Amino acid sequence: EAEVAQSPRYKITEKSQAVAFWCDPISGHATLYWYRQILGQGPELLVQFQDESVVDDSQLPKDRFSAERLKGVDSTLKIQPAELGDSAMYLCASSLGTSGGETQYFGPGTRLLVL
Amino acid sequence: GENVEQHPSTLSVQEGDSAVIKCTYSDSASNYFPWYKQELGKRPQLIIDIRSNVGEKKDQRIAVTLNKTAKHFSLHITETQPEDSAVYFCAASKHNNDMRFGAGTRLTVKP
Repeated sequence: EAEVAQSPRYKITEKSQAVAFWCDPISGHATLYWYRQILGQGPELLVQFQDESVVDDSQLPKDRFSAERLKGVDSTLKIQPAELGDSAMYLCASSLGTSGGETQYFGPGTRLLVL
Repeated sequence: GENVEQHPSTLSVQEGDSAVIKCTYSDSASNYFPWYKQELGKRPQLIIDIRSNVGEKKDQRIAVTLNKTAKHFSLHITETQPEDSAVYFCAASKHNNDMRFGAGTRLTVKP
């Protein structure tokens, strides 16, 4: 069964450094999501792509976070500079389309620790 | 925007008993309500979902009910087993797939 892939699985960095996370959605899935999950909480949407276009980035801290999906397939989420409060699990998910009621399939996540 | 509240935050049951987790949502336009199970260190996995045109859905030991009028939906697990122990998240989304998650319920099933 196809799965969403993410790398790295773990990342330790010092504050003020730059970090980048990569996501490869399930083949054929037009919609890609990046979530942040703080320990003990539910995932919070950071950005949603439909193909290569951003559909929703209202919760993305744009002063330090950026995301791209240049060819409408895989995606990169970047944080620069990282802050202590960015320590969390970053989850990528994908769904077939955006018609509503689409099942989102999650990747294994990247656990970020900022020291 | 949509606000999803989930209760309880922790739930401990004896093996074989039933477990019920409840969620409420605020946006009446929400029309899709999935439930995810997340084991420690693993990805959230969809276990069941329900759409707004249905009041109840069942899959073996798992069932979900939806009350659109009251804007709440519940997850029911019967005959619980130790492997059901995990964190369960409810979510609600609208036509644009903007999904909001509850804070999660940590379920512990004691053998």
